[in-house]
Amino acid sequence: NAGVMQNPRHLVRRRGQEARLRCSPMKGHSHVYWYRQLPEEGLKFMVYLQKENIIDESGMPKERFSAEFPKEGPSILRIQQVVRGDSAAYFCATRGGLESPLHFGNGTRLTVT
Amino acid sequence: TQLLEQSPQFLSIQEGENLTVYCNSSSVFSSLQWYRQEPGEGPVLLVTVVTGGEVKKLKRLTFQFGDARKDSSLHITAAQPGDTGLYLCAGEGTGRRALTFGSGTRLQVQP
Repeated sequence: NAGVMQNPRHLVRRRGQEARLRCSPMKGHSHVYWYRQLPEEGLKFMVYLQKENIIDESGMPKERFSAEFPKEGPSILRIQQVVRGDSAAYFCATRGGLESPLHFGNGTRLTVT
Repeated sequence: TQLLEQSPQFLSIQEGENLTVYCNSSSVFSSLQWYRQEPGEGPVLLVTVVTGGEVKKLKRLTFQFGDARKDSSLHITAAQPGDTGLYLCAGEGTGRRALTFGSGTRLQVQP
């Protein structure tokens, strides 16, 4: 019974490179949320997707960040031209319906050098 | 913008002591959730409270949702080293459909 799977667990990128973070939801889950967490802080909402649709991207920076959740395959959070300030833990959470509890993955820790 | 403030930010206590963590907002939430997060892992849901004034107990943990559904508290009785971790409250608004998280309370229980 696989939970929410995120990969890679750790990602190191140089400034200016692209980072692609993947999230495979639990079986039957069609709602995906991405959050960012800085050390010793809470989670900041970035984007909410539901199969092929972006429902709410109000927490997403306007430039360099994009997210998708295709019909087949994992959800992808893409960060272009990374900067040091993008270094953080990025968590994905999924659920089967709006009344269902959220299940979190173990995150991807992005380090920009 | 809905904001959730947690207090205290850090708490270091001895095994056997009691403690309370607070989560406050000026916004009304349709539900409020408490999570615990271990280093290197994602948050794990402890409880969801939905009704104003609701009290839920999970072994030594007692969760309360304020009457106005703007605040919540987590009380731990006779804390144990295994309770050590980051405790996060998160509120779900009526229209936004995404959780707003508090800044967290880092608890350390010394044996």
